[in-house]
Amino acid sequence: QQQVKQSPQSLIVQKGGISIINCAYENTAFDYFPWYQQFPGKGPALLIAIRPDVSEKKEGRFTISFNKSAKQFSLHIMDSQPGDSATYFCATTYSSASKIIFGSGTRLSIRP
Amino acid sequence: DAGVIQSPRHEVTEMGQEVTLRCKPISGHDYLFWYRQTMMRGLELLIYFNNNVPIDDSGMPEDRFSAKMPNASFSTLKIQPSEPRDSAVYFCASTSPGLPQHFGDGTRLSIL
Repeated sequence: QQQVKQSPQSLIVQKGGISIINCAYENTAFDYFPWYQQFPGKGPALLIAIRPDVSEKKEGRFTISFNKSAKQFSLHIMDSQPGDSATYFCATTYSSASKIIFGSGTRLSIRP
Repeated sequence: DAGVIQSPRHEVTEMGQEVTLRCKPISGHDYLFWYRQTMMRGLELLIYFNNNVPIDDSGMPEDRFSAKMPNASFSTLKIQPSEPRDSAVYFCASTSPGLPQHFGDGTRLSIL
């Protein structure tokens, strides 16, 4: 079973701070790396995604950094807000139309 | 757009009973996925369909689980007989190539 290792398991950040979540993958054949955000009682929702041909992708306060040689990628949330409090999952897949392998999740809490 | 619709939202039943979970994908999407989320195993893919045909059912835990997609707008996941270890949140997701997977809000299943 190909795995995606995610850390930390939980994270507490002060409002306005930077939240950083890290993931490592094994299978170099994967070419789509999405991050999902999940609120309690809701399904995961796509937050941002990257392909391995770029090293960084930024959308608003959210940035993915991708290190292909190290097989690692990370999510940075700048100026973290209480509304960002949720569980975040990194994932790998061949495309959106194929099976997604999820990391174990990071429960993020932003303190006001 | 109503999104992916799952029913019921909550199901509590006794061990040995048959359980049927239902999913209506987003209209026009031709891929449908069933996932299970537990604290111990995280989010894991059970099965997915393309144009109503099962493509990969390697994640289905055992013969007690079955899934069908009789048409493009409806799918079921059935557990017979149910066991306490089947307690989890079950998600359905749909997509088409080039689009992200859209998840429903899940069915929280409790087997007593």
